[in-house]
Amino acid sequence: SAVISQKPSRDICQRGTSLTIQCQVDSQVTMMFWYRQQPGQSLTLIATANQGSEATYESGFVIDKFPISRPNLTFSTLTVSNMSPEDSSIYLCSVPEGRGYGYTFGSGTRLTVV
Amino acid sequence: GQQVMQIPQYQHVQEGEDFTTYCNSSTTLSNIQWYKQRPGGHPVFLIQLVKSGEVKKQKRLTFQFGEAKKNSSLHITATQTTDVGTYFCAGDDYKLSFGAGTTVTVRA
Repeated sequence: SAVISQKPSRDICQRGTSLTIQCQVDSQVTMMFWYRQQPGQSLTLIATANQGSEATYESGFVIDKFPISRPNLTFSTLTVSNMSPEDSSIYLCSVPEGRGYGYTFGSGTRLTVV
Repeated sequence: GQQVMQIPQYQHVQEGEDFTTYCNSSTTLSNIQWYKQRPGGHPVFLIQLVKSGEVKKQKRLTFQFGEAKKNSSLHITATQTTDVGTYFCAGDDYKLSFGAGTTVTVRA
């Protein structure tokens, strides 16, 4: 299965600032997914990142708030912009493993906004 | 879009006992996947079910997909402390829709 390196693992940020989260995959993948997991909650898909095209955002998430880059088939970034305490969550990237093998997740970025 | 409901939200189990967590979808699923997230960890893929009525086993874990492909269950027998964590089901329609998860704690 793919190995994903996600950075940073955690951060504490001031409100109004931005944080960029990186995911590096050890193999080329067409699609990468970004999720948010609020404390004690399930995972909510933010957007799908495809190389060479703009990310596709889910309802309730907008590009101005969560800009995504996908410069190549092994790397993606998610920026959380103009942060507020409500953005305090775990953010995870994920890649599909192919038919029958589910998805592999990065280790997550635990963000606290103060 | 897909909505996947999962119950119970919490399961407190005596070590050695069995328990089951259930998922229900508002729509027919092409497949359903199960993940386990240990405390402080990230979700880890357990299994995928594709066929109507499919049953798969992984040691003490038994996964079932309903005949209508709208529901699924995970049954764990003889619960151990290593089973602690949150179990999520997820419908896969080219992107995952996660259930709320069942958080399992074990009393030794």
